Amino acid sequence: AQSVTQPDIHITVSEGASLELRCNYSYGATPYLFWYVQSPGQGLQLLLKYFSGDTLVQGIKGFEAEFKRSQSSFNLRKPSVHWSDAAEYFCAVGARSGTASKLTFGTGTRLQVTL
Amino acid sequence: NAGVTQTPKFQVLKTGQSMTLQCAQDMNHEYMSWYRQDPGMGLRLIHYSVGAGITDQGEVPNGYNVSRSTTEDFPLRLLSAAPSQTSVYFCASRVGETQYFGPGTRLLVL
Repeated sequence: AQSVTQPDIHITVSEGASLELRCNYSYGATPYLFWYVQSPGQGLQLLLKYFSGDTLVQGIKGFEAEFKRSQSSFNLRKPSVHWSDAAEYFCAVGARSGTASKLTFGTGTRLQVTL
Repeated sequence: NAGVTQTPKFQVLKTGQSMTLQCAQDMNHEYMSWYRQDPGMGLRLIHYSVGAGITDQGEVPNGYNVSRSTTEDFPLRLLSAAPSQTSVYFCASRVGETQYFGPGTRLLVL
């Protein structure tokens, strides 16, 4: 069974500083990997996804993530954080079993941005 | 496209009451699913459906019922609500390997 670990529950960064959110996964085959963002009281918005190919993936809002198979990681990065990036971020791994598609989420990292 | 819509946005129930959380999508996606979100636990899969007339259980199905009579709709039923079902519920539909989420329903069971 797949699993996802987000080791940082809460991170605080200053506006304009760089950001890296960690995500480690466990899955036997090549995983489908996702990052979602959730603003307070809102649903989940897809930031980016990795299925195959180039291991550096670009997403919306200036975010990128790098898939490192040797480290079982899929860390999310942004070179310069904006105050509007304050939200909760979820890493997820997807796996197929027949027609079923199961998405397993990490417990999330809450990002606080100070001005 | 409205995408994935959910109603109601917020609901308060008493223990033992029943209710249905509605979910609809207008993207003609075959695959739909229900998740619950609890603090510190991420999202957990309750039930899913791979098409009209086909449903299956996820990792936390107890206390919940689903049906899929049309491609568009995937309601989640609580037959006898319990305080442990206090949570935020998200419906999602999938195209390819990517799932798109609705805005959520916040449920409080007293």
